[in-house]
Amino acid sequence: KNQVEQSPQSLIILEGKNCTLQCNYTVSPFSNLRWYKQDTGRGPVSLTIMTFSENTKSNGRYTATLDADTKQSSLHITASQLSDSASYICVVRDGGGGSNYKLTFGKGTLLTVNP
Amino acid sequence: EAGVTQSPTHLIKTRGQQATLRCSPISGHTSVYWYQQALGLGLQFLLWYDEGEERNRGNFPPRFSGRQFPNYSSELNVNALELEDSALYLCASSLRREGAFFGQGTRLTVV
Repeated sequence: KNQVEQSPQSLIILEGKNCTLQCNYTVSPFSNLRWYKQDTGRGPVSLTIMTFSENTKSNGRYTATLDADTKQSSLHITASQLSDSASYICVVRDGGGGSNYKLTFGKGTLLTVNP
Repeated sequence: EAGVTQSPTHLIKTRGQQATLRCSPISGHTSVYWYQQALGLGLQFLLWYDEGEERNRGNFPPRFSGRQFPNYSSELNVNALELEDSALYLCASSLRREGAFFGQGTRLTVV
């Protein structure tokens, strides 16, 4: 059964600190992995998309890594800001072709950045 | 604990028809989000309901509408279906500032 596990469930850090969120998956075959940021009451915003051949991808203060061998991804946030407070969701797409693909969603990590 | 449930899992409609998709949130969750994921695209935010009211909507035409019932379940209605409406429609529920939990989606095919 395809699964996506995220850890920790919630995290509280002080403004300016760094943090790392984890995403482990069992989806096979693998196509891509996306990290989303979802602010309360708003739609999720895609931060990065990682394919099999990519190890690291950055988007500003967000850096995602992917280890396709161990089926692990991480999202590192540097110099956190209050606006980083949100839910971070990991979504993995399997290798199904055309419209036969499946998405497996993690439950998200709720990050709170305090002043 | 039961997760977010969506029905039906698959739906085939012809162009011009109406589609109704349903979502039951996790017990106790008062917020329901609807998303569309069309082929090749990421999640597109559709609607957010909280405590029975529409709180926010994404950049979609008025053909897309919905409602949230007193038991916090929700319906998404798509009128005058177009071929481009074919997509996976996802529902997520949350309780205020907790993380969102997603359902497995309804795959809508418009022919």
